[in-house]
Amino acid sequence: GAVVSQHPSWVICKSGTSVKIECRSLDFQATTMFWYRQFPKQSLMLMATSNEGSKATYEQGVEKDKFLINHASLTLSTLTVTSAHPEDSSFYICSAGQRTARRGETQYFGPGTRLLVL
Amino acid sequence: GEDVEQSLFLSVREGDSSVINCTYTDSSSTYLYWYKQEPGAGLQLLTYIFSNMDMKQDQRLTVLLNKKDKHLSLRIADTQTGDSAIYFCAESMGYKLSFGAGTTVTVRA
Repeated sequence: GAVVSQHPSWVICKSGTSVKIECRSLDFQATTMFWYRQFPKQSLMLMATSNEGSKATYEQGVEKDKFLINHASLTLSTLTVTSAHPEDSSFYICSAGQRTARRGETQYFGPGTRLLVL
Repeated sequence: GEDVEQSLFLSVREGDSSVINCTYTDSSSTYLYWYKQEPGAGLQLLTYIFSNMDMKQDQRLTVLLNKKDKHLSLRIADTQTGDSAIYFCAESMGYKLSFGAGTTVTVRA
């Protein structure tokens, strides 16, 4: 249980193009979904938090017009990197929060999407 | 600086126990987590501990929590080559998680 998928797993694109990454909770409905960015040999940096049907909450320093988040349903959130540039190359990981009485809200992570912008 | 701190590297011989240490800052954290990340993959939830517990055991994994010192540790018994990975501890801060930098565990034969 608590499986989260991401698609695509990797993408190479030209500078200036937009890239959409999907995050799905496969066997549960996620109260909240989170988008993280991870640089090589570093920890995860939270970019934004999204709840279904409402606007995402972005962390300080993250451009909301650059990283568009759409949380269309309780099982799907998308991150679009608009007009991507080489400095946007990174590993993007989503997580989906599952709330239970026993554990509170636990985040389950997707496998990540590696983006390379040429 | 980071709210959660971990040592960066640990080398351990196959069959020995591994102990990964973590300190955190928010005494109001309700849950503390250990995640495992293998190369090129996302994070896998290994185990968690509720803040009113001081120990939790799950097969080869033992989590110890010293709330007074805000110290968390993960012990892996009988470490195997498949345990080579980066291990992140995380504290819950409301609905968000704050992660440490990760400890790279290398298992040598």
